[in-house]
Amino acid sequence: SQQGEEDPQALSIQEGENATMNCSYKTSINNLQWYRQNSGRGLVHLILIRSNEREKHSGRLRVTLDTSKKSSSLLITASRAADTASYFCATRGFQKLVFGTGTRLLVSP
Amino acid sequence: EAEVAQSPRYKITEKSQAVAFWCDPISGHATLYWYRQILGQGPELLVQFQDESVVDDSQLPKDRFSAERLKGVDSTLKIQPAELGDSAMYLCASSPAGRQGRIQETQYFGPGTRLLVL
Repeated sequence: SQQGEEDPQALSIQEGENATMNCSYKTSINNLQWYRQNSGRGLVHLILIRSNEREKHSGRLRVTLDTSKKSSSLLITASRAADTASYFCATRGFQKLVFGTGTRLLVSP
Repeated sequence: EAEVAQSPRYKITEKSQAVAFWCDPISGHATLYWYRQILGQGPELLVQFQDESVVDDSQLPKDRFSAERLKGVDSTLKIQPAELGDSAMYLCASSPAGRQGRIQETQYFGPGTRLLVL
């Protein structure tokens, strides 16, 4: 079963613009992770934020976490065509990692 | 850079046939995962190994699916018999052991095996 739901399902922007995608989840978590998946390929880990953290940065990525609202957002600044991919949030509760439904990002040159 | 290897990359089979997928995790990674990803959805965990032991197979359809990791290194996932609804991407991932035996959080994924059942 999918724990997280991403919003929007699809996002189309121009190079240089910022992309924001949101993730909502249902149960308490230990941490939340974001992964990227290029078309037809495996997933690549991007960033992890723990339940006691509110914001984290990694390069052009900024992740926020609001445990009271059970939601997270991923911001990609100054997007590039190479950022075109599907982005998944994944929540770690007591046991396994549970992935959301994903946001498909298209960055046009 | 070390990668998770999977084979085959693509598999077409007819329903009721048997199919097997192979995964070789990154060397030294104690934890191995098999996921199924249906088109347009996120991956769902089928089975998790810690070394050669199964630690979670609660979502594995055990009437037709089996998984093994005999020497705690590479792993095989088998489906017999395959059904139309098994068409999906099958992803293998691994992660190293963390400090004090805790599971390390980051999972490293292979390229996947895309299965089409006709």
